[in-house]
Amino acid sequence: GAGVSQSPRYKVTKRGQDVALRCDPISGHVSLYWYRQALGQGPEFLTYFNYEAQQDKSGLPNDRFSAERPEGSISTLTIQRTEQRDSAMYRCASSLAGRDPSFGPGTRLTVL
Amino acid sequence: QKEVEQNSGPLSVPEGAIASLNCTYSDRGSQSFFWYRQYSGKSPELIMFIYSNGDKEDGRFTAQLNKASQYVSLLIRDSQPSDSATYLCAVTSGTYKYIFGTGTRLKVLA
Repeated sequence: GAGVSQSPRYKVTKRGQDVALRCDPISGHVSLYWYRQALGQGPEFLTYFNYEAQQDKSGLPNDRFSAERPEGSISTLTIQRTEQRDSAMYRCASSLAGRDPSFGPGTRLTVL
Repeated sequence: QKEVEQNSGPLSVPEGAIASLNCTYSDRGSQSFFWYRQYSGKSPELIMFIYSNGDKEDGRFTAQLNKASQYVSLLIRDSQPSDSATYLCAVTSGTYKYIFGTGTRLKVLA
């Protein structure tokens, strides 16, 4: 079946602009995760949703980052007033309750 | 101290040899342990998980867990060039917050 999809796959933006990254999880997966992965590093936890409830946002770096999943399916990660240090691969993952996450292809964000 | 530590490598082994990948973690409350494989430019994919002390085998892969030493390892027998990838260790103390190491890059030489 279809895996986790993310859009856009690549995003180049100028410093100070806002960006919205979209994640479409595997159908039926109630758990949704956002991770950030820098080159040569492992994925870094950002936030977790159980259905539409954001149960953990402890990994969001600062208040410029926010995420939502209003209907318990598609999720959006928004970064306001982007900075160069925000450049990274942003990965979404989803899973059935209590199961290991399956990762999407990621969105490569470049902030100029 | 990082929560999950791995040697970044690269670890080079000849084809047909056993590759041994190691991971240590700092949270004694950790309950579940995972190994993900990530090919260059691709997303991580799960290859093994282990919950209990001891060994767990799946084909050419064996995961080993020692909670007293806070140590997890992955053995790959009969290594193939197609096994060349970065191997990520992940740990969770609950059901959702997976903490990843930096990964070990494995190169299997033909």
